Amino acid sequence: RKEVEQDPGPFNVPEGATVAFNCTYSNSASQSFFWYRQDCRKEPKLLMSVYSSGNEDGRFTAQLNRASQYISLLIRDSKLSDSATYLCVVNHRTFNKFYFGSGTKLNVKP
Amino acid sequence: GAGVSQSPSNKVTEKGKDVELRCDPISGHTALYWYRQSLGQGLEFLIYFQGNSAPDKSGLPSDRFSAERTGGSVSTLTIQRTQQEDSAVYLCASSPSSETQYFGPGTRLLVL
Repeated sequence: RKEVEQDPGPFNVPEGATVAFNCTYSNSASQSFFWYRQDCRKEPKLLMSVYSSGNEDGRFTAQLNRASQYISLLIRDSKLSDSATYLCVVNHRTFNKFYFGSGTKLNVKP
Repeated sequence: GAGVSQSPSNKVTEKGKDVELRCDPISGHTALYWYRQSLGQGLEFLIYFQGNSAPDKSGLPSDRFSAERTGGSVSTLTIQRTQQEDSAVYLCASSPSSETQYFGPGTRLLVL
């Protein structure tokens, strides 16, 4: 079983739409959680960390459900520039290794 | 400040040749990671260095792959006797803690 699983998509949405991605992780000892964004032929870049109480950064909201071992990312008022692949990442602090999901592709259409 | 840098940005080699890929992490970052990403795929962990501890080599796909980190800073990933299936983007990341990673732009390796 993979450490981190994501729906690969693609999610095709119109501008202005709200879209949500989920991700599940297998190791209950995971302690840090992140969403990264990767544009085509570019390196991944940190979008936001995910905190237990949930957190928001502008149009982006991240939530963590430890009991069910899943993480979500909500994007409101989608922009064309949001088109990218979104990677779910978990970290086992004991080992300090980061486990990446294979990514969810988002296409925002005019 | 300067981010993670990698060189070369692109490398084309012939099957059977050895290649060396270089990563310059962000100054002061104690952790350094190597990943590879094949076209359309997710990131595959290769190796992890943390300070002076022995590296975690659990992700290296074969003994043709090796890496070293000199002086706790620059790292070199070496692939011996390259095969066509080694073609991928090799990404390096550094981290000051367990909280986040900063990636370099990657080296695109093509083995003919």
